[in-house]
Amino acid sequence: AIQMTQSPSSLSASVGDRVTITCRASQDIRKDLGWYQQKPGKAPRLLIYGASSLHSGVPSRFSGSGSGTDFTLTISSLQPEDFATYYCLQDYNYPRTFGQGTKVEIK
Amino acid sequence: EVQLVESGGGLVQPGGSLRVSCTVSGFTFRSETMNWVRQAPGKGLEWVSYISSGGGTIYYADSVKGRFTISRDNAQNSLYLQMNSLRDEDTAVYYCARGGFSYENSTYYDYFDYWGQGTLVTVSS
Repeated sequence: AIQMTQSPSSLSASVGDRVTITCRASQDIRKDLGWYQQKPGKAPRLLIYGASSLHSGVPSRFSGSGSGTDFTLTISSLQPEDFATYYCLQDYNYPRTFGQGTKVEIK
Repeated sequence: EVQLVESGGGLVQPGGSLRVSCTVSGFTFRSETMNWVRQAPGKGLEWVSYISSGGGTIYYADSVKGRFTISRDNAQNSLYLQMNSLRDEDTAVYYCARGGFSYENSTYYDYFDYWGQGTLVTVSS
Protein backbone atom coordinates (compact mmCIF):
# COMPACT_ATOMS: atom_id res chain seq x y z
CA ALA A 1 0.00 0.00 0.00
CA ILE A 2 1.11 3.57 -0.69
CA GLN A 3 2.19 5.38 2.47
CA MET A 4 1.17 9.01 2.85
CA THR A 5 3.24 11.11 5.26
CA GLN A 6 1.95 14.51 6.33
CA SER A 7 3.88 17.21 8.08
CA PRO A 8 3.66 18.81 10.48
CA SER A 9 1.31 16.73 12.64
CA SER A 10 0.13 19.94 14.27
CA LEU A 11 0.77 23.67 14.05
CA SER A 12 -0.26 26.83 15.84
CA ALA A 13 -1.13 29.89 13.79
CA SER A 14 -2.92 33.20 14.04
CA VAL A 15 -5.80 34.57 12.03
CA GLY A 16 -4.38 36.06 8.85
CA ASP A 17 -1.31 33.80 8.75
CA ARG A 18 -0.26 31.87 5.67
CA VAL A 19 -0.26 28.15 6.47
CA THR A 20 1.38 25.36 4.52
CA ILE A 21 0.88 21.62 5.03
CA THR A 22 2.84 19.03 3.13
CA CYS A 23 2.09 15.45 2.14
CA ARG A 24 4.59 12.98 0.72
CA ALA A 25 3.69 9.74 -1.04
CA SER A 26 5.88 6.64 -0.88
CA GLN A 27 5.69 6.33 -4.67
CA ASP A 28 4.73 8.42 -7.70
CA ILE A 29 0.96 9.09 -7.61
CA ARG A 30 0.91 11.65 -10.47
CA LYS A 31 -1.64 14.25 -9.34
CA ASP A 32 -4.05 11.74 -7.77
CA LEU A 33 -4.32 13.46 -4.42
CA GLY A 34 -7.07 15.20 -2.50
CA TRP A 35 -7.17 17.35 0.63
CA TYR A 36 -9.95 17.14 3.23
CA GLN A 37 -10.85 19.32 6.21
CA GLN A 38 -12.43 17.87 9.34
CA LYS A 39 -13.81 19.72 12.32
CA PRO A 40 -14.47 17.97 15.65
CA GLY A 41 -17.55 15.76 15.59
CA LYS A 42 -18.13 16.40 11.89
CA ALA A 43 -17.60 14.46 8.69
CA PRO A 44 -14.64 15.37 6.49
CA ARG A 45 -15.13 17.92 3.74
CA LEU A 46 -13.45 17.83 0.33
CA LEU A 47 -11.31 20.91 -0.37
CA ILE A 48 -8.97 20.03 -3.24
CA TYR A 49 -8.88 17.20 -5.79
CA GLY A 50 -6.40 16.34 -8.51
CA ALA A 51 -3.72 17.95 -6.31
CA SER A 52 -4.67 21.51 -7.32
CA SER A 53 -8.34 21.75 -8.35
CA LEU A 54 -10.58 23.62 -5.93
CA HIS A 55 -13.81 21.78 -5.13
CA SER A 56 -17.06 23.65 -5.68
CA GLY A 57 -17.89 26.09 -2.91
CA VAL A 58 -14.44 26.04 -1.29
CA PRO A 59 -12.97 29.51 -0.60
CA SER A 60 -10.16 30.60 -2.89
CA ARG A 61 -7.78 31.08 0.06
CA PHE A 62 -7.27 27.31 -0.15
CA SER A 63 -4.90 26.06 -2.82
CA GLY A 64 -3.02 22.88 -3.60
CA SER A 65 0.08 22.10 -5.57
CA GLY A 66 2.46 19.29 -6.38
CA SER A 67 2.70 16.12 -8.40
CA GLY A 68 4.55 12.83 -8.21
CA THR A 69 5.42 12.34 -4.54
CA ASP A 70 5.34 15.82 -2.97
CA PHE A 71 2.21 17.88 -2.40
CA THR A 72 1.26 21.05 -0.55
CA LEU A 73 -1.95 22.53 0.83
CA THR A 74 -1.77 26.28 1.41
CA ILE A 75 -4.21 28.52 3.24
CA SER A 76 -3.27 32.03 2.14
CA SER A 77 -4.87 33.92 5.04
CA LEU A 78 -6.11 31.76 7.91
CA GLN A 79 -9.66 32.47 9.01
CA PRO A 80 -11.31 31.50 12.34
CA GLU A 81 -13.38 28.81 10.62
CA ASP A 82 -10.22 27.16 9.23
CA PHE A 83 -9.06 25.80 12.59
CA ALA A 84 -9.50 22.08 11.97
CA THR A 85 -7.61 18.92 11.05
CA TYR A 86 -6.51 18.45 7.46
CA TYR A 87 -5.89 15.14 5.70
CA CYS A 88 -4.42 14.20 2.36
CA LEU A 89 -5.76 11.15 0.51
CA GLN A 90 -4.19 9.37 -2.43
CA ASP A 91 -6.65 8.18 -5.08
CA TYR A 92 -4.02 6.66 -7.36
CA ASN A 93 -4.88 3.09 -6.44
CA TYR A 94 -6.50 0.79 -3.88
CA PRO A 95 -6.23 0.57 -0.98
CA ARG A 96 -6.83 4.28 -0.65
CA THR A 97 -4.60 5.76 2.03
CA PHE A 98 -4.86 8.93 4.10
CA GLY A 99 -2.10 10.93 5.65
CA GLN A 100 -2.10 10.94 9.45
CA GLY A 101 -3.57 14.43 9.63
CA THR A 102 -2.41 17.94 10.52
CA LYS A 103 -4.21 19.76 13.32
CA VAL A 104 -4.28 23.53 12.84
CA GLU A 105 -4.72 25.25 16.20
CA ILE A 106 -5.11 28.83 17.32
CA LYS A 107 -1.93 30.51 18.53
CA GLU B 1 -30.10 18.22 -1.58
CA VAL B 2 -27.67 15.33 -1.32
CA GLN B 3 -28.00 13.38 1.93
CA LEU B 4 -26.26 10.27 3.24
CA VAL B 5 -27.54 8.87 6.51
CA GLU B 6 -25.76 6.04 8.31
CA SER B 7 -27.47 3.79 10.82
CA GLY B 8 -26.98 0.51 12.64
CA GLY B 9 -24.06 1.36 14.87
CA GLY B 10 -23.94 0.23 18.47
CA LEU B 11 -22.16 -1.85 21.09
CA VAL B 12 -21.06 -5.35 20.13
CA GLN B 13 -18.84 -7.88 21.86
CA PRO B 14 -15.50 -8.97 20.40
CA GLY B 15 -16.08 -11.73 17.87
CA GLY B 16 -19.59 -10.51 17.20
CA SER B 17 -21.25 -9.16 14.07
CA LEU B 18 -22.98 -5.96 13.08
CA ARG B 19 -24.36 -4.47 9.87
CA VAL B 20 -24.28 -0.74 9.29
CA SER B 21 -26.31 0.94 6.57
CA CYS B 22 -26.18 4.16 4.58
CA THR B 23 -29.34 5.46 2.96
CA VAL B 24 -28.92 8.17 0.37
CA SER B 25 -31.10 10.73 -1.36
CA GLY B 26 -30.67 13.68 -3.69
CA PHE B 27 -28.69 11.90 -6.39
CA THR B 28 -28.94 8.87 -8.67
CA PHE B 29 -27.48 6.25 -6.34
CA ARG B 30 -27.24 3.47 -8.95
CA SER B 31 -24.84 5.61 -11.02
CA GLU B 32 -22.32 6.35 -8.28
CA THR B 33 -19.50 4.46 -6.59
CA MET B 34 -19.50 4.35 -2.80
CA ASN B 35 -17.02 3.91 0.02
CA TRP B 36 -16.80 3.29 3.75
CA VAL B 37 -14.27 5.25 5.80
CA ARG B 38 -13.77 4.90 9.54
CA GLN B 39 -12.19 6.89 12.34
CA ALA B 40 -11.19 5.39 15.66
CA PRO B 41 -11.69 7.67 18.69
CA GLY B 42 -9.09 10.43 18.65
CA LYS B 43 -7.38 8.97 15.57
CA GLY B 44 -7.14 9.73 11.87
CA LEU B 45 -9.20 8.61 8.91
CA GLU B 46 -8.91 5.08 7.51
CA TRP B 47 -10.43 4.00 4.20
CA VAL B 48 -12.26 0.67 4.64
CA SER B 49 -13.98 -0.40 1.42
CA TYR B 50 -15.17 0.54 -2.09
CA ILE B 51 -17.99 -0.71 -4.28
CA SER B 52 -18.65 0.21 -7.90
CA SER B 53 -22.00 1.52 -9.08
CA GLY B 54 -23.27 -1.90 -10.15
CA GLY B 55 -21.58 -3.77 -7.33
CA GLY B 56 -19.29 -5.76 -9.60
CA THR B 57 -16.01 -4.30 -8.35
CA ILE B 58 -15.14 -4.29 -4.66
CA TYR B 59 -12.00 -3.46 -2.70
CA TYR B 60 -11.13 -3.73 1.00
CA ALA B 61 -8.44 -2.50 3.32
CA ASP B 62 -6.15 -5.31 4.46
CA SER B 63 -7.26 -4.68 8.06
CA VAL B 64 -10.84 -5.82 7.28
CA LYS B 65 -10.39 -8.20 4.36
CA GLY B 66 -12.11 -11.53 5.01
CA ARG B 67 -14.17 -10.10 7.89
CA PHE B 68 -16.16 -7.25 6.35
CA THR B 69 -18.47 -7.34 3.31
CA ILE B 70 -19.64 -4.28 1.41
CA SER B 71 -22.86 -4.45 -0.61
CA ARG B 72 -25.52 -2.20 -2.05
CA ASP B 73 -29.19 -2.28 -3.01
CA ASN B 74 -29.69 0.21 -5.81
CA ALA B 75 -33.48 -0.19 -5.69
CA GLN B 76 -33.43 0.88 -2.03
CA ASN B 77 -30.75 3.59 -2.43
CA SER B 78 -28.80 1.85 0.30
CA LEU B 79 -25.21 0.86 1.01
CA TYR B 80 -24.24 -1.73 3.60
CA LEU B 81 -21.22 -2.93 5.54
CA GLN B 82 -21.53 -6.34 7.15
CA MET B 83 -18.89 -6.64 9.86
CA ASN B 84 -18.05 -10.07 11.29
CA SER B 85 -15.42 -11.29 13.75
CA LEU B 86 -15.25 -7.81 15.22
CA ARG B 87 -12.19 -6.78 17.19
CA ASP B 88 -11.54 -4.03 19.72
CA GLU B 89 -9.58 -2.13 17.06
CA ASP B 90 -12.70 -1.94 14.84
CA THR B 91 -14.19 0.54 17.31
CA ALA B 92 -14.74 3.69 15.25
CA VAL B 93 -17.16 6.07 13.67
CA TYR B 94 -18.06 4.61 10.27
CA TYR B 95 -18.76 7.08 7.46
CA CYS B 96 -20.19 6.35 4.04
CA ALA B 97 -18.85 8.57 1.29
CA ARG B 98 -19.83 9.01 -2.35
CA GLY B 99 -17.13 8.55 -4.93
CA GLY B 100 -17.21 11.53 -7.25
CA PHE B 101 -14.98 12.27 -10.19
CA SER B 102 -13.95 15.02 -12.59
CA TYR B 103 -12.47 14.82 -16.07
CA GLU B 104 -9.87 17.53 -16.62
CA ASN B 105 -6.98 17.79 -19.07
CA SER B 106 -7.67 14.25 -20.37
CA THR B 107 -7.42 12.82 -16.85
CA TYR B 108 -10.01 11.44 -14.45
CA TYR B 109 -9.69 12.51 -10.83
CA ASP B 110 -11.54 10.65 -8.08
CA TYR B 111 -12.55 12.00 -4.70
CA PHE B 112 -15.07 11.61 -1.88
CA ASP B 113 -17.44 14.51 -2.39
CA TYR B 114 -20.36 13.74 -0.07
CA TRP B 115 -20.20 12.14 3.37
CA GLY B 116 -22.70 10.96 5.91
CA GLN B 117 -22.61 12.09 9.55
CA GLY B 118 -21.22 8.74 10.70
CA THR B 119 -22.39 5.93 12.97
CA LEU B 120 -20.41 4.78 16.01
CA VAL B 121 -19.50 1.12 16.34
CA THR B 122 -18.09 0.11 19.71
CA VAL B 123 -16.53 -3.32 20.14
CA SER B 124 -16.15 -4.12 23.81
CA SER B 125 -16.94 -6.81 26.33
